[in-house]
Amino acid sequence: EIVLTQSPGTLSLSPGERATLSCRASQSVSSSFLAWYQQKPGQAPRLFIYGASSRATGIPDRFSGSGSGTDFTLTISRLEPEDFAVYYCQHYGSSPLTFGGGTKVEIK
Amino acid sequence: VQLVESGGGLVQPGGSLRLSCAASGFTFSSFWMHWVRQAPGKGLVWVSRINSDGSSTSYEDSVRGRFTISRDNAKNTLYLQMNSLRDEDTAVYYCYREGSWGQGTLVTVSS
Repeated sequence: EIVLTQSPGTLSLSPGERATLSCRASQSVSSSFLAWYQQKPGQAPRLFIYGASSRATGIPDRFSGSGSGTDFTLTISRLEPEDFAVYYCQHYGSSPLTFGGGTKVEIK
Repeated sequence: VQLVESGGGLVQPGGSLRLSCAASGFTFSSFWMHWVRQAPGKGLVWVSRINSDGSSTSYEDSVRGRFTISRDNAKNTLYLQMNSLRDEDTAVYYCYREGSWGQGTLVTVSS
């Protein structure tokens, strides 16, 4: 089973700042099956990035995904108020699905 | 794509519940489906999956032998039968298809 480790656990930033979120896999994974989700309180997760770097429908271009092998990154170039939330990485190429523990992006 | 869960509620330890997920907007019978849960204030945890025709299933260790995933492709519906429920099964249960999630249904196990 692939274990995903996200860091940091919490990121305290101000609107307009750049956010860099990390997701490290316990073994090499195909970039085709690495996704990022945003979750706000009381809501289901929402797909933001799939295939490590492709933005889902309706996701603004300030969000970008990158990486390969065991190291993946979600970057938010300039934080908007609506971006403060929890972000999860996910590997979905095989069973079981695995999720990182999440990074909370909070307002500083 | 729309996934709508139902069937959650309050149940005593040792009890049973059956969750349903009604799918629409895509060819349900072509996709593997999953259940994922999230305990209060915690992260996302995969629970179970079923292949497209229902012939193959898989479970997370803590629910194997207690939960059963199934599907009815004629009704575009996914199920999760949960028996011998424990306090630690308390969570929001989400129906999941690659990239898409339902709104979740809350299961509370408490005496």
